[in-house]
Amino acid sequence: DTGVSQDPRHKITKRGQNVTFRCDPISEHNRLYWYRQTLGQGPEFLTYFQNEAQLEKSRLLSDRFSAERPKGSFSTLEIQRTEQGDSAMYLCASSLMGQGAEAFFGQGTRLTVV
Amino acid sequence: SQQGEEDPQALSIQEGENATMNCSYKTSINNLQWYRQNSGRGLVHLILIRSNEREKHSGRLRVTLDTSKKSSSLLITASRAADTASYFCATGLNSGGSNYKLTFGKGTLLTVNP
Repeated sequence: DTGVSQDPRHKITKRGQNVTFRCDPISEHNRLYWYRQTLGQGPEFLTYFQNEAQLEKSRLLSDRFSAERPKGSFSTLEIQRTEQGDSAMYLCASSLMGQGAEAFFGQGTRLTVV
Repeated sequence: SQQGEEDPQALSIQEGENATMNCSYKTSINNLQWYRQNSGRGLVHLILIRSNEREKHSGRLRVTLDTSKKSSSLLITASRAADTASYFCATGLNSGGSNYKLTFGKGTLLTVNP
């Protein structure tokens, strides 16, 4: 399977714990995006990488959230001191460069904070 | 904040009928993309239309774009029960320099009854 893969698919954690998600983009894609989606809503932009550079971060990304893409390949999204409001589906997408590039999404990581 | 707004929020039709969903957005865009999401799953890219295009077809899908009205429509012809899903429009915007991101609307929930 050469699509975008995310791990884990599901994560249940206790409030206050740290969690880390991984995204492996399509191999030749330079751009990588993280989105968050809650029930009944569209995906909300969190952050975006071009190669290893993090070019933009949403105001939704509080200081408890950090994302990295150290070698311009896979990316990790860490949430520290999780809160119940962090419960959501976390989606990763990747695309080639170019303003007309299609973005391809992974299946997402569903986080439940109890 | 979400750039696009889909209309209607929910649509229920009979198999074989056509389904039309609309998307309005606020700022100038480079392209507009439509995605489908089955319940609890990742997003599947359907079609991309560039800002200098007015209409595009892909199989049973027809997308139009009116940049003067900042709106797009997605038409699914001869609908099938398998088309039941949420449909999102996403606007691609160059936000300065090499920055580029996709911003999603809240989606239209389409139900196709057998």
